[in-house]
Amino acid sequence: DQQVKQNSPSLSVQEGRISILNCDYTNSMFDYFLWYKKYPAEGPTFLISISSIKDKNEDGRFTVFLNKSAKHLSLHIVPSQPGDSAVYFCAASNFGNEKLTFGTGTRLTIIP
Amino acid sequence: DVKVTQSSRYLVKRTGEKVFLECVQDMDHENMFWYRQDPGLGLRLIYFSYDVKMKEKGDIPEGYSVSREKKERFSLILESASTNQTSMYLCASSTSGGGGYYGYTFGSGTRLTVV
Repeated sequence: DQQVKQNSPSLSVQEGRISILNCDYTNSMFDYFLWYKKYPAEGPTFLISISSIKDKNEDGRFTVFLNKSAKHLSLHIVPSQPGDSAVYFCAASNFGNEKLTFGTGTRLTIIP
Repeated sequence: DVKVTQSSRYLVKRTGEKVFLECVQDMDHENMFWYRQDPGLGLRLIYFSYDVKMKEKGDIPEGYSVSREKKERFSLILESASTNQTSMYLCASSTSGGGGYYGYTFGSGTRLTVV
């Protein structure tokens, strides 16, 4: 049972434009949502997170939006840069539970 | 610079061998995790540990075991390697109460091929 889903396996965006990565979840008990970025042959690195009491969190070029009623979150990258080309994973957890449940990932390619 | 170190980047093992994957963290984190990453399946949790000598099964523990004798070290053991265990293995750690919001720190991964 895939509790966290990323339905787009890949996405291509022109450099300088906005990249929007989407993630859906089924467990309404999740309290925290996170995005990770992964380059080939490296471990994932933490990008940004949001708690379920918020609907938006920003960090520089990265903004995460949470729509609890739709059980949907998205990551916006503006402007997109070539170094943003990577696989992005969304993840979720419950308060007090250290385990993260990951989605299947979206490969983002930024076209120069 | 804080880090999680996995002992091998690439490993090739034969079917039936006992395989040890080692992970060491220098952040004094309480929690440590082993995930595997496969195309189209994302990251799936194998085992985790929230304290020395403590372990809990994740979503796909079959065919694996773990050992945590010291706080900084978490080992994944493939009792009898099989070809369906060919994968990228990722170790991670987190501080108690922080993993859910501040996330994990991951190692660089071990690409294991079982032939």
